[in-house]
Amino acid sequence: KQEVTQIPAALSVPEGENLVLNCSFTDSAIYNLQWFRQDPGKGLTSLLLIQSSQREQTSGRLNASLDKSSGRSTLYIAASQPGDSATYLCAVHNNDMRFGAGTRLTVKP
Amino acid sequence: GAVVSQHPSWVICKSGTSVKIECRSLDFQATTMFWYRQFPKQSLMLMATSNEGSKATYEQGVEKDKFLINHASLTLSTLTVTSAHPEDSSFYICSGLRATNEKLFFGSGTQLSVL
Repeated sequence: KQEVTQIPAALSVPEGENLVLNCSFTDSAIYNLQWFRQDPGKGLTSLLLIQSSQREQTSGRLNASLDKSSGRSTLYIAASQPGDSATYLCAVHNNDMRFGAGTRLTVKP
Repeated sequence: GAVVSQHPSWVICKSGTSVKIECRSLDFQATTMFWYRQFPKQSLMLMATSNEGSKATYEQGVEKDKFLINHASLTLSTLTVTSAHPEDSSFYICSGLRATNEKLFFGSGTQLSVL
C-alpha cells in the first residue's frame, strides 16, 4: 500500500527566503506526482504535475523535482512571499491517489 | 486519522448510462465536500464544491446537469455522472473538509471508463 509522507509538517520563514518542501512515497510505480496548495477552508489548487517519465517541472517561482527510484519529490519555492502562506500537499497517482498530510507554510512579512 | 471512503474504486459502463460515485466521511463531519477529476496526463482539477444541505457550486466548464452532486448529510456526498459518454472517462476523487480544523481528507478515487 502506497504511503506518502511530507516533511516538515510546518514551516515558518521570513519573506524572501528560498525554501524546500519534501515528499516521499513508498511505491515507485506511479503514473504521476502532483503538488497542490490548499488555502484555509478551500479546496486544492494544482501547482505542478510531474509525469513518471519526467524529472522536474517549473512554474514561475516554483520548481518540483521527482526521483522515482528513491521515492522522493521536492518542491522548491524561490523568493517566498506572504501570499505563499498555505498548506502544500503532494499526491502520487498509480491505481489510486494518495496524499501526504501536507506542510503548513507561513511566510512572515 | 480521519477517513473518507470513496466507492466504487473503478467502474466500466456503457455510453448513455448513469454512474453514481459515493463519498463518506467515516469519523468526522464534512461541512464541505469537493469533487475533482483528472484526465490522463493532466492535473487534478476542481469540478464543484458542495456544502451540506445546499446546492453545489460548479467550476466554469463543468455541466451541472450532467454531474449531479448531492450532499444531503454531513457524512455523505454523491456524484452522479448522467448519460455518461466516453469523454467523461476520467479519474474522479472527492475530499471532505473537516470543519473543526479546516483540514482536507481525501477519498482514494474512482476510475471511470465509459465504453
